[in-house]
Amino acid sequence: KNQVEQSPQSLIILEGKNCTLQCNYTVSPFSNLRWYKQDTGRGPVSLTIMTFSENTKSNGRYTATLDADTKQSSLHITASQLSDSASYICVVSAARGSTLGRLYFGRGTQLTVWP
Amino acid sequence: DAGVIQSPRHEVTEMGQEVTLRCKLISGHNSLFWYRQTMMRGLELLIYFNNNVPIDDSGMPEDRFSAKMPNASFSTLKIQPSEPRDSAVYFCASSPWGGSYNEQFFGPGTRLTVL
Repeated sequence: KNQVEQSPQSLIILEGKNCTLQCNYTVSPFSNLRWYKQDTGRGPVSLTIMTFSENTKSNGRYTATLDADTKQSSLHITASQLSDSASYICVVSAARGSTLGRLYFGRGTQLTVWP
Repeated sequence: DAGVIQSPRHEVTEMGQEVTLRCKLISGHNSLFWYRQTMMRGLELLIYFNNNVPIDDSGMPEDRFSAKMPNASFSTLKIQPSEPRDSAVYFCASSPWGGSYNEQFFGPGTRLTVL
């Protein structure tokens, strides 16, 4: 069964600290994995997208890693800021040629950054 | 440049009523996606279009839901008749092309409450 599991479900950290969010998936065949950030009351915004051949990708203070062998991804946030408080959603796309394959969504990790 | 525009932003209706949600794509984009998000189920893809043509509607929950793209820049999602379990936030997203690697840009969402 194709699934995407995220952990932890919620996380509270102090401003300036680092944190790592996890995403495990069983989607096959695999096409790509995306991390989205969703602020409260707004639509998700893409942070990174990685294909099978990529094992790390950065976007500012956000660094995503992908281990396609173990089917695990992580999102590392460095020097957290109050504005990082949001839900982080992992989305895995199944392969279907060049067109968009079926999307599988994690339930998200709710991150809260305290001053 | 305006992003994806959705209307209304909030909708409260009674069970059995027809609900129509609207979405305007980003100019120049060719693909449109309708999503639903609830606390219980997270984010779900309902349907997506490429060049006004529905490509994958496997996420549409049942016949009460229908989506159309009458032109290249506009789409509607209709629920008839609506039920309380349809209460959710409905997001529309657009993409330059519905390929697997293209970024999707989300609108602000429509919060639907069915009483």
